[in-house]
Amino acid sequence: AQRVTQPEKLLSVFKGAPVELKCNYSYSGSPELFWYVQYSRQRLQLLLRHISRESIKGFTADLNKGETSFHLKKPFAQEEDSAMYYCALVPAGNNRKLIWGLGTSLAVNP
Amino acid sequence: EAGVTQFPSHSVIEKGQTVTLRCDPISGHDNLYWYRRVMGKEIKFLLHFVKESKQDESGMPNNRFLAERTGGTYSTLKVQPAELEDSGVYFCASSHGLNTEAFFGQGTRLTVV
Repeated sequence: AQRVTQPEKLLSVFKGAPVELKCNYSYSGSPELFWYVQYSRQRLQLLLRHISRESIKGFTADLNKGETSFHLKKPFAQEEDSAMYYCALVPAGNNRKLIWGLGTSLAVNP
Repeated sequence: EAGVTQFPSHSVIEKGQTVTLRCDPISGHDNLYWYRRVMGKEIKFLLHFVKESKQDESGMPNNRFLAERTGGTYSTLKVQPAELEDSGVYFCASSHGLNTEAFFGQGTRLTVV
């Protein structure tokens, strides 16, 4: 079954601390992985996609096929990073529907 | 450029009533998706339009839900009759191509009482 697991519902860190939001997936093929973010009172927006291999707002995520993981990392968290983060996958093929994790609420404290 | 717009932002209706949600995608985006987040659960795919055609409606919960996209522009999602378990946030997203970024609307929070 296709599934995305984000084990932490809430993650609280202090400003300047490293942060890692975990994401594991279950999929037999080669999916495309994404991180979406929703800031308070704003809409869902794409943060990262694994095929881009970009660093956005200091965040990076590496696809580890052996561990079926796509953890989101940032070396020094900022208060403005506080938001809801969703990991999602798109199965290979023409069906582009997103399969979502439950989300992790990140709180960066001053 | 205007983003994806959803109407209404909130709706509170009684069980058994009908509600119609609307989504205006970004102009020129052929792909339009509906998703739903029920409290405490993951965001779930409902269906995907390519222009006016339903490409995939495998996520529609049951036949009380009807989605349309006449003319390939805006889309409506009608729930008739609404049940308590239909409460949640309904998201719409659009993209230009299948492999391009999907942009989301702000969502419609539906509460069925």
